[in-house]
Amino acid sequence: RKEVEQDPGPFNVPEGATVAFNCTYSNSASQSFFWYRQDCRKEPKLLMSVYSSGNEDGRFTAQLNRASQYISLLIRDSKLSDSATYLCVANTNAGKSTFGDGTTLTVKP
Amino acid sequence: GAVVSQHPSRVICKSGTSVKIECRSLDFQATTMFWYRQFPKKSLMLMATSNEGSKATYEQGVEKDKFLINHASLTLSTLTVTSAHPEDSSFYICSASGMRDTEAFFGQGTRLTVV
Repeated sequence: RKEVEQDPGPFNVPEGATVAFNCTYSNSASQSFFWYRQDCRKEPKLLMSVYSSGNEDGRFTAQLNRASQYISLLIRDSKLSDSATYLCVANTNAGKSTFGDGTTLTVKP
Repeated sequence: GAVVSQHPSRVICKSGTSVKIECRSLDFQATTMFWYRQFPKKSLMLMATSNEGSKATYEQGVEKDKFLINHASLTLSTLTVTSAHPEDSSFYICSASGMRDTEAFFGQGTRLTVV
């Protein structure tokens, strides 16, 4: 079983749709959690950190449930520019990142 | 966030040659740096963890004699792919974290093509 598991998708949604990505992690020593966005053939870029209290950044909302070791990302009012691969990441306290395989999102006009 | 610079961004080399990739933390001291590899349509896989001044810790299945890692200072780690073969062609990316950080900061990545 992979340490960080994501639904690979692909998710194909129309502009304006709301889409939710789920992620689970198995290493209970994981300390911090992130969602990254990766565009084709580029390095991952931090989208947002994920906290138990939930956090929102514009159209993006992330949530962490430590008890069930579950992380989510919600994107509202999808834009064409949101098309990318979204990576769920769990870090240990030394900054070691374990990546999920990513969820591919395509937003269509 | 902090800045990590990785160089070169793209390299093409002949089979049998060695390639060095540099990873620099520009505005903080990185006590730990990580090297990842990404195959097409796959996620990033950790190759090794390097701590300044000590030997790197390699993940299972990663050949330490083939992927030489040096972390001689708090701002620089290098990955040398020795005697490169076409199957070593991949996207290599480093990340760096400071002493109190759980967040790691990524370099821009290096796309290696061995011909």
